[in-house]
Order: sequence, then C-alpha cells, then structure tokens
Amino acid sequence: QKEVEQDPGPLSVPEGAIVSLNCTYSNSAFQYFMWYRQYSRKGPELLMYTYSSGNKEDGRFTAQVDKSSKYISLFIRDSQPSDSATYLCARGDTGANSKLTFGKGITLSVRP
Amino acid sequence: DAGVTQSPTHLIKTRGQQVTLRCSPKSGHDTVSWYQQALGQGPQFIFQYYEEEERQRGNFPDRFSGHQYPNYSSELNVNALLLGDSALYLCAVGGGTSYNEQFFGPGTRLTVL
Repeated sequence: QKEVEQDPGPLSVPEGAIVSLNCTYSNSAFQYFMWYRQYSRKGPELLMYTYSSGNKEDGRFTAQVDKSSKYISLFIRDSQPSDSATYLCARGDTGANSKLTFGKGITLSVRP
Repeated sequence: DAGVTQSPTHLIKTRGQQVTLRCSPKSGHDTVSWYQQALGQGPQFIFQYYEEEERQRGNFPDRFSGHQYPNYSSELNVNALLLGDSALYLCAVGGGTSYNEQFFGPGTRLTVL
C-alpha cells in the first residue's frame, strides 16, 4: 500500500461547481498535511497546510483532515477555469521541514 | 514560486553524462530539499540540506549528491545519467520563519537522451 493515495483522475467540472478532491494515507505518524496546486510546467504552489483534524478554510478552499480514518480532502467552491491544474496532496512527518510524501496528483479541468 | 529560483530551466544531456542543478532560496529559508517529479507522478523526495549538511535522504542511489553553501543556496549533482533520470527536478525551501511549510521553485526539466 502506498503511503499517500489520491483519487485517480482526471476530473472535469463546469464552472461554478463544488469540487471535492480526496486522499488517504497509511502511516499514523504523519503529523501535517498540505495541498499543492501545480500548473502545467510549473512548480507546485502551496495552497493549504494543516496539522490537526477538522476543517481549515481559506477563501474558496477548505481543507479537511480526519485522522481517525486517515482521510484528507480539499473542497473548492465556485470553481473557476483558473482552478484548472493538477492538485497534489502531501503529508509530512514529525519535526520541522521533514520530507514530504506526495500522492500522484489529480488533474482538474473547469469548463467555462 | 515564493522567490525560489532554480537554474537552468531546461537541460538536455546524454546517457553517462553528469549534471549540476542549482537552487537559491530567498532570505529567511535555511532548509533546502530536492525532489524528482516524473511525468504524471507526484514529486519524490531525494534529500534535504540544513546548515550545509545532508539531514535526510530518500530512496535514491549515490549517483545523486548535493551540497549547500553558507548562503543557503544548494546544488544537486547527478552522475552517470540514465534515461530514467529524465524528470522535473524541484527544490523546496523552508525553515526560518516557515516552520513546517515548504515552498517550491519552478523546477529544472532534465531530458536524458
């Protein structure tokens, strides 16, 4: 079993839709979680970072962590064509700046 | 890209050659990690440098080596290139004021022929 598994894509939605992106992880030692957005031929851009169970909101984006079921989600409200990108979930071990383990990524396309 | 610069942008090499990639963090970030991202995959951790020492290493062979300078900039060296080394190489910076957050540079796309 891979340490971080991400729902396979690609995903295509109409503009304005609510998008749900999901990951599961297998190691309980994971302490913090991130969502990165990566546009084609660019480096990943940090969207959300959280280390506790529950929800964290930032504008149209909400990150949700359920440590009991080892499940992480990213919700995008009122999706825009500019949200079209690959979304990567990642987890970090304990300690500052530990290595990140990524899921495979899911490509999202928002149709105008 | 959080002020992280990487050079070169693109690179084409042939099998057996050696390559050096460079990363420069903006001030305030003293930790540099390197990742390899194959097409259609998530980034894979290569190693991390802090205070000019390799602090952690992923599952990569000794052909992959690195260095960090006193100004926190870093190099990734790959010897005896294989076709399978073709990928996007990313550096991520953190530390300092960013305790657990890591910010990626734009990457160097390496093609091995």
